[in-house]
Amino acid sequence: NAGVTQTPKFQVLKTGQSMTLQCAQDMNHEYMSWYRQDPGMGLRLIHYSVGAGITDQGEVPNGYNVSRSTTEDFPLRLLSAAPSQTSVYFCASSYSPGPQNIQYFGAGTRLSVL
Amino acid sequence: GDSVTQMEGPVTLSEEAFLTINCTYTATGYPSLFWYVQYPGEGLQLLLKATKADDKGSNKGFEATYRKETTSFHLEKGSVQVSDSAVYFCALLMEYGNKLVFGAGTILRVKS
Repeated sequence: NAGVTQTPKFQVLKTGQSMTLQCAQDMNHEYMSWYRQDPGMGLRLIHYSVGAGITDQGEVPNGYNVSRSTTEDFPLRLLSAAPSQTSVYFCASSYSPGPQNIQYFGAGTRLSVL
Repeated sequence: GDSVTQMEGPVTLSEEAFLTINCTYTATGYPSLFWYVQYPGEGLQLLLKATKADDKGSNKGFEATYRKETTSFHLEKGSVQVSDSAVYFCALLMEYGNKLVFGAGTILRVKS
């Protein structure tokens, strides 16, 4: 039972480089989301998706793109990395939005932008 | 907007001590409240939740009661263990919302 799998676990980028953070879940969850975690700020929502083909912006979407072509995968793209995007990124999924459904989190991707 | 405020850490306790981590919230409406725990090197795990006023969530010896009158959801444990060392996040989810709002997190360190 893999749950939510994020790759890579660590990444170092130079300013201006692009990359994709991968997130996959095997629980047939409709709702998936991306958060970033910064010291003293908790987790902030970047983008989310309520199903394949549907995405929407969260609290801090600038500099990030997402797409949801399948139920299982929800990649996060950084088109031109900036030092302000140095953070720990978490992907989460749940059967559907709402308090009755537990959100499951991946182990995170630690990104440094130099 | 909706927000969650947690006590600042780190909180350092000796094994078997009593734990309280304070959490208060601001929300328009009737949120559900959650405590998540993050062990070193891992993602967040749901620890407990409460979906309406006066509900008590409990799990692994931890408890929290949803207090609408004080807009609080304080986390308590009667006797902490070294294995409880982690970061604890309080969060809310609005009644018809789909976005968790997190507090800043509180680091707990338990010494043997």
